[in-house]
Amino acid sequence: AQSVTQPDIHITVSEGASLELRCNYSYGATPYLFWYVQSPGQGLQLLLKYFSGDTLVQGIKGFEAEFKRSQSSFNLRKPSVHWSDAAEYFCAVGGGKLIFGQGTELSVKP
Amino acid sequence: EPEVTQTPSHQVTQMGQEVILRCVPISNHLYFYWYRQILGQKVEFLVSFYNNEISEKSEIFDDQFSVERPDGSNFTLKIRSTKLEDSAMYFCASSWHQDGILTDTQYFGPGTRLTVL
Repeated sequence: AQSVTQPDIHITVSEGASLELRCNYSYGATPYLFWYVQSPGQGLQLLLKYFSGDTLVQGIKGFEAEFKRSQSSFNLRKPSVHWSDAAEYFCAVGGGKLIFGQGTELSVKP
Repeated sequence: EPEVTQTPSHQVTQMGQEVILRCVPISNHLYFYWYRQILGQKVEFLVSFYNNEISEKSEIFDDQFSVERPDGSNFTLKIRSTKLEDSAMYFCASSWHQDGILTDTQYFGPGTRLTVL
C-alpha cells in the first residue's frame, strides 16, 4: 500500500541550529515526492519537489531535501533555522493524487 | 502570483444540512482536487477532477459528496447531508499537468474549516 511516514510529530530546535525532518515512503512506482509547509491559518505551500534526476533538490526559504531510493526516504534539511520557520511540515508522495504524511510540527526556540 | 482561493474560510452547519464549499483554482490550471484534514490527522485525498468529470476518488468520497465546475472559474464541493465526522479542514488544489503528465505541482488554497454541530 502507498503510504508516507513522518516519524517525528513535534520537533523543537534553537534558532540558528540545523534541522532535519524525516520522511519515509512506500510507493509502488517511481515516486514523485513533495514537501509542503503550513503556517497557522494558511494553506499548504510547496517547499520543494523531486521528480527525477539529481537526488538533492533545492527549495524555497533555504530548504533542501535528498531522495534516497535505497532507504525510501526524502528528508528535509535546513542548515540554519529562523524563527519564521516555525510551522507544520508535510511530506507527500504521488502523481495526481497526493498521499500525505502525518506532519511534523516545528517549534523554534530563541 | 496567482493563487487558489476558497470561500468561506469557516462554515458552521447543523448535522443533516447541505453545505457547498467553493474554490477558485488558478486560472490556467486543468486539474482540480479536494482534500480534507480532520483535526490531528493526515491530509487525505478526496477527489480529482479533469475535463468536467471525476478522474479519481477515494473511499471517503461517497454518495453524499459531489463536485462541480459550474462555470469557468469556480470548483465546488457539496456535502448533501452533513455528519459530525465531516467536521474538518477542506483544501482545494489545482495543477496544470502539461501534456497529461500527472507530476505538476498542486497549489493549495487556504482551506475551509467546516464545523458540523
